[in-house]
Amino acid sequence: AQKVTQAQTEISVVEKEDVTLDCVYETRDTTYYLFWYKQPPSGELVFLIRRNSFDEQNEISGRYSWNFQKSTSSFNFTITASQVVDSAVYFCALSEGDDKIIFGKGTRLHILP
Amino acid sequence: SAVISQKPSRDICQRGTSLTIQCQVDSQVTMMFWYRQQPGQSLTLIATANQGSEATYESGFVIDKFPISRPNLTFSTLTVSNMSPEDSSIYLCSVDSSGIYNEQFFGPGTRLTVL
Repeated sequence: AQKVTQAQTEISVVEKEDVTLDCVYETRDTTYYLFWYKQPPSGELVFLIRRNSFDEQNEISGRYSWNFQKSTSSFNFTITASQVVDSAVYFCALSEGDDKIIFGKGTRLHILP
Repeated sequence: SAVISQKPSRDICQRGTSLTIQCQVDSQVTMMFWYRQQPGQSLTLIATANQGSEATYESGFVIDKFPISRPNLTFSTLTVSNMSPEDSSIYLCSVDSSGIYNEQFFGPGTRLTVL
């Protein structure tokens, strides 16, 4: 069975600090997809990234970076030089290729000015 | 990316009534999904809406409570039937954008409060 664990329920950091959100997943499939979504206080769900299981290359997009390690079944998300606008709930998610996405419980991130 | 709209954006309903939520996409998509997000919780998949066939429901969700229609490739509805306060949630539709496998985008959500 597939499962996504985000052990950090809530994190608070001061603006400009770097912060890493952890995500550990479980799956029996060799082909799967990992996602990160952002849900700001307004409630909409914003797609950030999709990664397939065959591509372990780390990705950087501006202040965001993702570290995918199959050996530890982790797909961690780092925000560099955090800003107040980064305050949101962040969800890690997993799909085994049948298009159904299983979400973690989310990490609520507070960026303090 | 697909542009997704939902109606209504929010509603307050009485116990025992039903509400139908609409999801409209600006392009044809193969797969449409309905999720529920209870207050302070994560998202849970309710069902997959397939065009031309019955929806596929996840464990814990049944057609009598959450009937779904998918009349074409750009539209779907979810009805929350015989509502109780426990149904108070955000209901979101999402689509697997055609041609981009497993790229899923979400609508803005419908915030439902049941009194």
